[in-house]
Amino acid sequence: GDSVTQMEGPVTLSEEAFLTINCTYTATGYPSLFWYVQYPGEGLQLLLKATKADDKGSNKGFEATYRKETTSFHLEKGSVQVSDSAVYFCALSTISGAGSYQLTFGKGTKLSVIP
Amino acid sequence: DTAVSQTPKYLVTQMGNDKSIKCEQNLGHDTMYWYKQDSKKFLKIMFSYNNKELIINETVPNRFSPKSPDKAHLNLHINSLELGDSAVYFCASSPLGGGLSGELFFGEGSRLTVL
Repeated sequence: GDSVTQMEGPVTLSEEAFLTINCTYTATGYPSLFWYVQYPGEGLQLLLKATKADDKGSNKGFEATYRKETTSFHLEKGSVQVSDSAVYFCALSTISGAGSYQLTFGKGTKLSVIP
Repeated sequence: DTAVSQTPKYLVTQMGNDKSIKCEQNLGHDTMYWYKQDSKKFLKIMFSYNNKELIINETVPNRFSPKSPDKAHLNLHINSLELGDSAVYFCASSPLGGGLSGELFFGEGSRLTVL
């Protein structure tokens, strides 16, 4: 079935460091891809998305490009801040058995940014 | 105003008890979901309702019974609680076909601890 694989965490970086969180997927058809972020004690928020190959999603300095040839959607940020400390989830949309769409999440990557 | 609200936020109970978690969304969305997040932060969909109709029902024990009195509410009732039910339960909502657009709106979660 469809699945998402993210790099294992936790990831600890110093402020202003470059961030990459790897995400690869397995899917039939052409899914849409997403990154969600979960700040401590909160629910998940959509960070960015891409709906077709070569699309680049971006938000709050984060970027990810939908790479169909490598089935990847890696998250990057050029200079992280302490406020970026959170758990990041890669996800893809899939069609359920009932014909509706649902999100399948990766296992999440915890990022800690230290001053 | 909170878009997706869940109550209670914390719930501590004994094995064998029955408990409910309530969810309400004021976004006018047609689809609502329940996700379970385990201690390792892994998120898995449990149920999805579309206009009060059950759409997705993943492999979840019969002890879990969702109820949607109207499209703004989706409650989760759990019978005969077990230790393994301890988790954070997230309610979410989306416009129709939200899985394709990816914009799921999450509540803050309800942390259930079974002793």
